[in-house]
This record gives sequence, C-alpha cells and structure tokens, in this order.
Amino acid sequence: SQTIHQWPATLVQPVGSPLSLECTVEGTSNPNLYWYRQAAGRGLQLLFYSVGIGQISSEVPQNLSASRPQDRQFILSSKKLLLSDSGFYLCAWSVFRGTEAFFGQGTRLTVV
Amino acid sequence: GDSVTQMEGPVTLSEEAFLTINCTYTATGYPSLFWYVQYPGEGLQLLLKATKADDKGSNKGFEATYRKETTSFHLEKGSVQVSDSAVYFCAVAYSGAGSYQLTFGKGTKLSVIP
Repeated sequence: SQTIHQWPATLVQPVGSPLSLECTVEGTSNPNLYWYRQAAGRGLQLLFYSVGIGQISSEVPQNLSASRPQDRQFILSSKKLLLSDSGFYLCAWSVFRGTEAFFGQGTRLTVV
Repeated sequence: GDSVTQMEGPVTLSEEAFLTINCTYTATGYPSLFWYVQYPGEGLQLLLKATKADDKGSNKGFEATYRKETTSFHLEKGSVQVSDSAVYFCAVAYSGAGSYQLTFGKGTKLSVIP
C-alpha cells in the first residue's frame, strides 16, 4: 500500500533562517506531488505541484520554493523565513491530476 | 477559476443529532467532488468522493450526493458521535487544458458534545 511521510512534525524557526521540509511517498511510481499551506482559521492553499522529477509549478508568488530531486521526494524550502510563513504545511500525492489527493501528517511551522 | 463554498462553522451538536454541512461549487466541465476530514493536529483524510452526477459517496455513516443541477455536494450523517469532532473540508478536483486544481473550501469545524 502507499504511504506518505512528512517531517518534521513541528518546527520553530527564527525570522531570516532557512527552511527545508521533506516529503517522501512509498508504494507508487511517478506520483503527482503537492505542497499546501493551511493558515489558522483558513482553508488550504496550494503552493506547488509537480508531475515529475524537476517539474515544479508554482500557484502563488511567495517566499518559498519547491524541488523534486527524485521521483518520490518533494522538498519545500526557503532561504529566509518571514513571520507570515508560519502555518501548517501539508504534503500530498495523487495518481493522476483531477483525482483525490492523499495527505501527510503535516508540519506545524512557527516563525518567531 | 474553480471555487468551493461551504457553510461556516463552528457547528456544535449533541451526540446522535443529525448533521448537514452544506457545500456548493463552481467549476467548468465535470469535476470530481470530495469530502476530507482533519482531526486535531493531523493531516487530511479522504472521507468520501463522487466522480459523476448523481453519484453518492459514503463512508463511516457519512453520505454526500453529487448534484450537478444545484452544483452541490452536501455532507450528511444521521447520528453523530463525539469521535466525529473534527474539521470537514469540501473539495473539487478538475483537470483539463493542461491545468490541475484541487480546490478546498475553508473548512467547517464540528464539535459533538455528549
């Protein structure tokens, strides 16, 4: 069966520090991969999605970037965090575009 | 673009009460519709789905019917339990013309009290 791993679960980082969140998927090949952010009291915002190695689409301009160095690995990064980057970050995968996505457990990021 | 509107919460119900969470969407073409559930501190779990008009998705006593004429996908459960306390998200997925969107509503927090 397929599983998705996301880490760390919680992270407290100072303003201006770098960020690296990692997500890996097991049990499937060539998944579509997604990063979402959930701000407090708001819905989910799609940040990036990827349909293959090295292929990244950004949905909103921001202080973040994403990379997909391997088929089942998706990384969310920032060179310098802002206070507004705080939130709950969720990685997800799907078989095809337009189908349901399966989510990791999320990373609670607090920028102080 | 696509959008999802779901009833704002929070919703507080007594155990064994009937639950309805309304969801309407705007989308071109023929999207797939989903309900996700998020328990405190966790990621989202797929609760149920429907992929074409008049389909009924069901799971764990929850149901939702894909109503294309009213562009709705309301979530219902006949008798809620304390363990159903969570945030529920309606979502619509559409793929076409080289683009992809899985768009979520803002979520409805449900609290069930004994």
